[in-house]
Amino acid sequence: DTGVSQDPRHKITKRGQNVTFRCDPISEHNRLYWYRQTLGQGPEFLTYFQNEAQLEKSRLLSDRFSAERPKGSFSTLEIQRTEQGDSAMYLCASSLRRLADTQYFGPGTRLTVL
Amino acid sequence: AQKVTQAQTEISVVEKEDVTLDCVYETRDTTYYLFWYKQPPSGELVFLIRRNSFDEQNEISGRYSWNFQKSTSSFNFTITASQVVDSAVYFCALSNFGNEKLTFGTGTRLTIIP
Repeated sequence: DTGVSQDPRHKITKRGQNVTFRCDPISEHNRLYWYRQTLGQGPEFLTYFQNEAQLEKSRLLSDRFSAERPKGSFSTLEIQRTEQGDSAMYLCASSLRRLADTQYFGPGTRLTVL
Repeated sequence: AQKVTQAQTEISVVEKEDVTLDCVYETRDTTYYLFWYKQPPSGELVFLIRRNSFDEQNEISGRYSWNFQKSTSSFNFTITASQVVDSAVYFCALSNFGNEKLTFGTGTRLTIIP
């Protein structure tokens, strides 16, 4: 499978715990995006990387959230001190650098905070 | 600011009927890109089409067709001879030139009744 992969697919945690998600983009893609999707809504942009540089962060991304892409390949999204409001599907997408090139999405990580 | 509106929250049609999903967008940019994605029950967003603002030609791909009208800021999606496998949530999305993050609508849940 050469598509975008995400791990884990599901995560259940207790409020106050830290969680980390991983995204592996399509191998030749140098742009990587994180979105969050809550029930009944469309995905909302969180942040994106071009290679290892984080180029934009949404105001949705509070200081409890941090994302990295250390070698310009896979990326991690960490949420510290989780809250029940963090429960959502976290989606990763990747694309080539060309302007507005199509973003291809992974299967997502569904987070449930108890 | 940019915005995508999908006014139809849910649509149900009987198999083999044609169905049109509406998408209306708002943007101040003259160069922008429009997308449709399909989200089946498995949750993964599947890319269907990308259109740039300079290309108003309608497009047909098998049973799928798209009608882009800049005059009404609409990018509607029609499925001809619907099938049960078309049941999913469909999202319309917009990105602007130089800012590749996607702004999604709230989606339309399409149910095809056998």
